[in-house]
Amino acid sequence: VQLLESGGGLVQPGGSLRLSCAASGFSVESYAMTWVRQAPGKGLEYVAGISGRGGSTDYADSVRGRFSISRDSSDNTLYLQMNSLRAGDTAVYYCAKASGLVASGSYLTDRGQGTLVTVYS
Amino acid sequence: DIQMTQSPSTLSASVGDRVTITCRASQSISTWLAWYQQKPGRAPNLLIYKASTLERGVPPRFSGSGSGTEFTLTISSLQPDDFATYFCQQYESYTWTFGQGTKVEIK
Repeated sequence: VQLLESGGGLVQPGGSLRLSCAASGFSVESYAMTWVRQAPGKGLEYVAGISGRGGSTDYADSVRGRFSISRDSSDNTLYLQMNSLRAGDTAVYYCAKASGLVASGSYLTDRGQGTLVTVYS
Repeated sequence: DIQMTQSPSTLSASVGDRVTITCRASQSISTWLAWYQQKPGRAPNLLIYKASTLERGVPPRFSGSGSGTEFTLTISSLQPDDFATYFCQQYESYTWTFGQGTKVEIK
């Protein structure tokens, strides 16, 4: 299993970024996939998740309405579209594979090395 | 959301010490709890899932226990490689929540 994030960078408040996570060794449709972030010097925070098969999505309250998680089975990639970015969104964003089809009842088994998003003014 | 509270926030210990970290959930999560280890600049690694099941390849000096709302992670004999930050995580709900972390430092 390998997960490789990309798309992070510097953006001004109100701007947008799209993160990608290229997966190999498994199908992103076969497991729940999530994005988890970590602000500098802080703990881990669940951002968004998408279930295997049906593809239902869920979001943390802090990003609901601004972020959108999706996946593309043709290139086995997970995405996070981030709009209306705020300073509080500054963090390393990790793509993570869950142990089962849905996040509830599944734990984080594999993750990428993360991509840094910095929102500055 | 289910809140996870870890204690202590920082722990100073010596090589060979027995170390215990506690994690409390704001409501019952049965045994839907995982523990992760994170070293500076690195992504977190899974140690334990379902409160007490050791992930493959994790040394047996690590152990987990608990159910409901109270859980512990124990390192039976602290090794130099174990100085790191440890996080608990509940996965009872669709939106995972993590403890704030416990940093294990060299005494």
